[in-house]
Amino acid sequence: EAGVAQSPRYKIIEKRQSVAFWCNPISGHATLYWYQQILGQGPKLLIQFQNNGVVDDSQLPKDRFSAERLKGVDSTLKIQPAKLEDSAVYLCASRIGMGQETQYFGPGTRLLVL
Amino acid sequence: DQQVKQNSPSLSVQEGRISILNCDYTNSMFDYFLWYKKYPAEGPTFLISISSIKDKNEDGRFTVFLNKSAKHLSLHIVPSQPGDSAVYFCAVNFGNEKLTFGTGTRLTIIP
Repeated sequence: EAGVAQSPRYKIIEKRQSVAFWCNPISGHATLYWYQQILGQGPKLLIQFQNNGVVDDSQLPKDRFSAERLKGVDSTLKIQPAKLEDSAVYLCASRIGMGQETQYFGPGTRLLVL
Repeated sequence: DQQVKQNSPSLSVQEGRISILNCDYTNSMFDYFLWYKKYPAEGPTFLISISSIKDKNEDGRFTVFLNKSAKHLSLHIVPSQPGDSAVYFCAVNFGNEKLTFGTGTRLTIIP
């Protein structure tokens, strides 16, 4: 079974530029999450999707971050414009759905904002 | 505010000995607990989990213990192997389908 796919793996941009990350979850997984992991910290949830609907985006800085999962499968996370403090690893995770607690993570996208 | 704390940022253990990683959490009734392992430049990999109705779950060399009265979770690895060197994250589902992670413990197994 293929795991969670993410691209790109690495990205370097200058502040105020835009960047987008892509995630393809495990086939059949209804729930998709985006996390931000800053160096030395644990992953912090940004947004949770159930199929193509947003369940929780309370921790998403909506003035600069946006995310979508239009067809209920893959998802994109965008930052526009980026700030220095956005430098982090962005992790995508998926879960089958109700009653299955385990989330499976992709390899992440490491973002450096200069 | 629901919190998960891993108070030891690092731990070194001799190969073949037992590694014990600890995690504390704030109060909640409907909890599900997970341990993830993370190698550099990779995403976290699910290791083992336990629901709040149990106090122990074992999978090969890995055992997770849950002490609900102390709100404490621990992961035991025995015997420890060099490939176990990684960062270990404790994560808690406080009954809301979302995971709250600790800050991680870097485990180094000394050959």
